[in-house]
This record gives sequence, structure tokens and C-alpha cells, in this order.
Amino acid sequence: EAQVTQNPRYLITVTGKKLTVTCSQNMNHEYMSWYRQDPGLGLRQIYYSMNVEVTDKGDVPEGYKVSRKEKRNFPLILESPSPNQTSLYFCASSPGLRTDTQYFGPGTRLTVL
Amino acid sequence: AQSVTQLGSHVSVSEGALVLLRCNYSSSVPPYLFWYVQYPNQGLQLLLKYTTGATLVKGINGFEAEFKKSETSFHLTKPSAHMSDAAEYFCAVSCVTEYGNKLVFGAGTILRVKS
Repeated sequence: EAQVTQNPRYLITVTGKKLTVTCSQNMNHEYMSWYRQDPGLGLRQIYYSMNVEVTDKGDVPEGYKVSRKEKRNFPLILESPSPNQTSLYFCASSPGLRTDTQYFGPGTRLTVL
Repeated sequence: AQSVTQLGSHVSVSEGALVLLRCNYSSSVPPYLFWYVQYPNQGLQLLLKYTTGATLVKGINGFEAEFKKSETSFHLTKPSAHMSDAAEYFCAVSCVTEYGNKLVFGAGTILRVKS
């Protein structure tokens, strides 16, 4: 089944404790992206990647890192989480063209205390 | 820069009534427009999209949207609401970036369907 998977689905952590949210897709998509969803703000892009080793900042990259060492994986790293990073996070992938549908993972709900 | 405005953060309709969710966009290039739906505790899934061609686009679950360039709008409609349509709906415009494309989303509209 074609899908985007994320782990963990739920995470509660404390300020400053490094964490990684994994994202994997099995559709051989070139393009992957991370979004955060906050009430009243919709989804905002954090980082995106056009291909292996090609990444760039989105609209809200502060406090996040990403890497793309393999085509299928695009982990999101929070080196020193803070309470303002409490949010719902979505990974998405698409073949890459502007007209393409993006396929979303199920989401990771992160709480930083 | 592209942007999307969804009018009404909450919309409530009765079962069987018309659903109308409003979306206006701003784009300096011909826009590619999308509607996504998010059911409770799930990720987003595509309802429909407009790229080129026919301006009336039909999607899944009986939804459709019409691209009106003169009004910079892409409103989502469904003739008869069903209880299962209760969800949050997001309008988005596709933007070109140096390395590809990204979606710029509106703030979302929560649809409530009353029995």
C-alpha cells in the first residue's frame, strides 16, 4: 500500500531534550516536506527536500533540522525543543511537480513541557 | 507571494443542505489550487485540484469547486451535506520555489453537519 508513515504518533517531552520524528514514504517520490499545524494558522511548511541531499527552509524553520540521506526517509530533528514547538506535525511527499498531489502522513502530536 | 484566505473558520449546515466553503487566493502566476480534507485524528487527503483546463473541478465524495480567475476564488461546494462530511477543510495554492514546489495553506474551515 502506498503510504507515508510517521513515528511516533504521539510524544510528550521536556524542554531541551533532543528528539527525532521519522518520516518514510514507499512511493519513490522525489519531493518531501514537513509541516506544522496550529489552530487558526492552518499548515505551515517547516522544511522541504527536492531529492537526496537537497533540502531548503520553508516558512517556519527556526528550531528544526532535517536530513535526506535516502530518498524514502526525511526525519525531522528538534535539537532543543521548546514549548512553542508543541504542535501537530505532518510529513508529506509528492512526485515533485507543482501540479502534483501531496500525500500526507497521519501526523505526530508533540507536546513540549 | 502566494497566499490563501478561507472565509469562516467554522461553518455549520444541516444534513441535506448545501455546503459552501469559501477560498480566495493571491498569486502572481497562474495558480494551481487544491482542497484537502482532514477528518478527526487523521492526516490530510486530497479532495480535488485545479491545474489547467476546465474551471469546474469535481472531486471525491460529491464535492466540486469552481476556479474563477476574475474573482480570485476557488470555493468548494456540495449540493447535499452528509454527517460524514464533518471535518476540517483546507484550501491551498501551489507555489514555485528554487527547488520545486510547496503548498501554501489557508487557515482551515471546520464544517459541522447538524442532524
